[in-house]
Amino acid sequence: DVKVTQSSRYLVKRTGEKVFLECVQDMDHENMFWYRQDPGLGLRLIYFSYDVKMKEKGDIPEGYSVSREKKERFSLILESASTNQTSMYLCASSDAPGQGEEQYFGPGTRLTVT
Amino acid sequence: KNQVEQSPQSLIILEGKNCTLQCNYTVSPFSNLRWYKQDTGRGPVSLTIMTFSENTKSNGRYTATLDADTKQSSLHITASQLSDSASYICVVSPLSGGYQKVTFGIGTKLQVIP
Repeated sequence: DVKVTQSSRYLVKRTGEKVFLECVQDMDHENMFWYRQDPGLGLRLIYFSYDVKMKEKGDIPEGYSVSREKKERFSLILESASTNQTSMYLCASSDAPGQGEEQYFGPGTRLTVT
Repeated sequence: KNQVEQSPQSLIILEGKNCTLQCNYTVSPFSNLRWYKQDTGRGPVSLTIMTFSENTKSNGRYTATLDADTKQSSLHITASQLSDSASYICVVSPLSGGYQKVTFGIGTKLQVIP
């Protein structure tokens, strides 16, 4: 059974803190993604990675960075958290090279920045 | 700019009744369209994928249709159950352009009541 896990379900951080969100997949997938989901806006792509140490910007990369040192792990970093980064963060992974393939999502991390 | 519009935004139906969710898109050239189901507090899970040549596809009580000429898709749920309460997200992928061009709809929130 495919599985994508995220390090925290809920997280509360203060403005200016450095925040790490971790994602691990056990399916040996090449591609991994970070999205944020906000009411009325749907899912928006922050960054994705198609290989170890490779990354590509999505629609809204400002204020975020990512790291992929191992195939199974993809980290999202908020260098200096701000209140407008309060959101639900979803990690996903996929296998095939085309962009239409199924993405497998983790349960999400609800981040609150105060 | 590629767009995916879903309607209605929210829907309440009685258990056992049928319902139809709509998805209109402007993505071109079109590759495929996926419907995802997202339970509250969980990540989205793929229900079905529709490619250009497919008109109808069923997955249990879920039936998706696609009209590539009018750029419309629908998701029909038959004999609804309480467990169908979720958000349903339409995702459209173009033939080219990378993951940045994959477009997510905002979703339809369905509530099934006893």
